[in-house]
Amino acid sequence: DAGITQSPRHKVTETGTPVTLRCHQTENHRYMYWYRQDPGHGLRLIHYSYGVKDTDKGEVSDGYSVSRSKTEDFLLTLESATSSQTSVYFCAAQRGLAGGLGDTQYFGPGTRLTVL
Amino acid sequence: AQKITQTQPGMFVQEKEAVTLDCTYDTSDQSYGLFWYKQPSSGEMIFLIYQGSYDEQNATEGRYSLNFQKARKSANLVISASQLGDSAMYFCAMSFVGAGSYQLTFGKGTKLSVIP
Repeated sequence: DAGITQSPRHKVTETGTPVTLRCHQTENHRYMYWYRQDPGHGLRLIHYSYGVKDTDKGEVSDGYSVSRSKTEDFLLTLESATSSQTSVYFCAAQRGLAGGLGDTQYFGPGTRLTVL
Repeated sequence: AQKITQTQPGMFVQEKEAVTLDCTYDTSDQSYGLFWYKQPSSGEMIFLIYQGSYDEQNATEGRYSLNFQKARKSANLVISASQLGDSAMYFCAMSFVGAGSYQLTFGKGTKLSVIP
């Protein structure tokens, strides 16, 4: 467990408004991830970070940006929210071990976002 | 590219019986890892078990075991002595070396219902 919290836990917003979701971890894990979960799709990677100020795109990055200015915080921003971004968003953190295919990702509780 | 297939959208099992959740994967990588996560109705993602591609023994964690058949590219989760609390969504995932981190690809999940 990486002591991961997400805020807010629930948010309803309107199309076209900017939204920022926050992920906070207390274990000094190196890697952090943002996923979205939609029915019938499992979890899909949006963006990830492999260190402070080091981020990269995942499978479904269009319409999202991220920032990581401190090890413990990873922010996901929807610049102009659309209804297709209604989803449950999960943050995950991973310690970052050498040879780490077995390095477990631990997840936050999720944020349910509704875009009207 | 990596792909995980979970062919059982939903399954039922009688309490105290064993159940197998199927997972097949596709990758051209020689080194990879296989994970199972549980997602109860409360929504959090809980790590259950891990198997490395070079591990010769099947992984076990309490009532969970991973039936790893490398030649068949399958990584089935076996839950022994099912309990009501095992009712949840179960996700199979594969780790691989991505750009800058160790990433996961998830299957679409299997919903397990345990019947009293």
